Order: sequence, then structure tokens, then C-alpha cells
Amino acid sequence: DAGVIQSPRHEVTEMGQEVTLRCKPISGHNSLFWYRQTMMRGLELLIYFNNNVPIDDSGMPEDRFSAKMPNASFSTLKIQPSEPRDSAVYFCASSLMGSGQHNYGYTFGSGTRLTVV
Amino acid sequence: AQTVTQSQPEMSVQEAETVTLSCTYDTSENNYYLFWYKQPPSRQMILVIRQEAYKQQNATENRFSVNFQKAAKSFSLKISDSQLGDTAMYFCALSNSGYALNFGKGTSLLVTP
Repeated sequence: DAGVIQSPRHEVTEMGQEVTLRCKPISGHNSLFWYRQTMMRGLELLIYFNNNVPIDDSGMPEDRFSAKMPNASFSTLKIQPSEPRDSAVYFCASSLMGSGQHNYGYTFGSGTRLTVV
Repeated sequence: AQTVTQSQPEMSVQEAETVTLSCTYDTSENNYYLFWYKQPPSRQMILVIRQEAYKQQNATENRFSVNFQKAAKSFSLKISDSQLGDTAMYFCALSNSGYALNFGKGTSLLVTP
């Protein structure tokens, strides 16, 4: 099991450019989460998918952010246009939510460090 | 609404000693899960230990154990025989059934020789 795979590991982009972060969850997991980590705000949930369907996107900062999960093995988080305040580490995590919503734990990817200059 | 509070921003412990990290939480749910995650300088988020709220018994994983006090909404992590590799940020997290993790702000632990 390769774990949750995120790419790229680092991204440096200029303000105004489009940025796409990618995530491959663990095979068989049915829930996927995007988190953002900053010194000021800690770890914040951006969006949560269950069975490829967005369940809660209330954490998405604004319309510049969008996330998709076209199938069970792939998700993207897109920022367009990017701004310096978007600089952060973005984590993807996946989980298996069982019957009765039994929670078996969450596995995180290694994160993408985004720097917008 | 759920909240997770870690009141110790930084702690240090000598190698081979025992240290306890504090965490309190608030939730209106009866069925929930609590976690401790470790984040070393590599930034990887590593699951340390998991506790199901409906289980009375405190979870244990090798040198790591928790003191789960449901009525007091307290979930502390004890690290025994501390090792240099335990140096990391430690995050307490809460999840209601079928939902996302809600994290505390973290405690930075330094293990010194």
C-alpha cells in the first residue's frame, strides 16, 4: 500500500497564476479530505468528499478555490487566481467510513507546500 | 460545534523520561473518535493513537497511552521512555461519526539528550 499520494511536493508560483494540487487516496477508502495548514490558523478543513460526492465545502476560503473528485482514485484542488495569502501546506487525507459511520482512522499524504510570490 | 484545545504550546522532556500532553474538547455528540497525530519536521502527519468514545478502556500503542476522561472531556497523551525521535508537533483531533477531523493548535515537544 503506497499510502495517500500527493503531488507536487513543492510548488512555487507567481501571483495570479492557476495552481492545481493532486491527490490519490488509498484504494478502498471512501472519504477524502483536503486540509490547509498555516502557522496562524493551524490545520483547517477545506472540503470533504464521501463516495466522490462533496459533502461539506464550507471551509473553502472563496470562489478562487475549487475541488473535484472525478473518481474514487483521484482528486484535485485548484486555486485560480492564486494570491500570496494562499501560501501554506495543503494536505490530502483519506479514510474508510464504515456502516453506521464507524471511523477507522485517517491517513494523510505528505502534503504540498505552496508558495505564491 | 466542536472545539479542541491544547493548552501547552511547547513542552520539553529529557530522553527516557515520561511526558504528558494535555487536550480538552467539546462536542454535543455521543459517538465520536479522538486521535493524536505526530508531525515531525518532515511534515508528514502520523497517527499515534486512536480512541473510540464508547470504549471505556484507554488506548495504548507501545510507549504511547492516553488518559480518556469522557465526563471531563479530556484526552491526554502520555509518552513513556521518551526518545529523540519523538521530537515533533503533536495534534489532538476529534471526529464525530462519519465526519472530518477537527484539530487543536498543537503542542511542540522537544526531547533533549
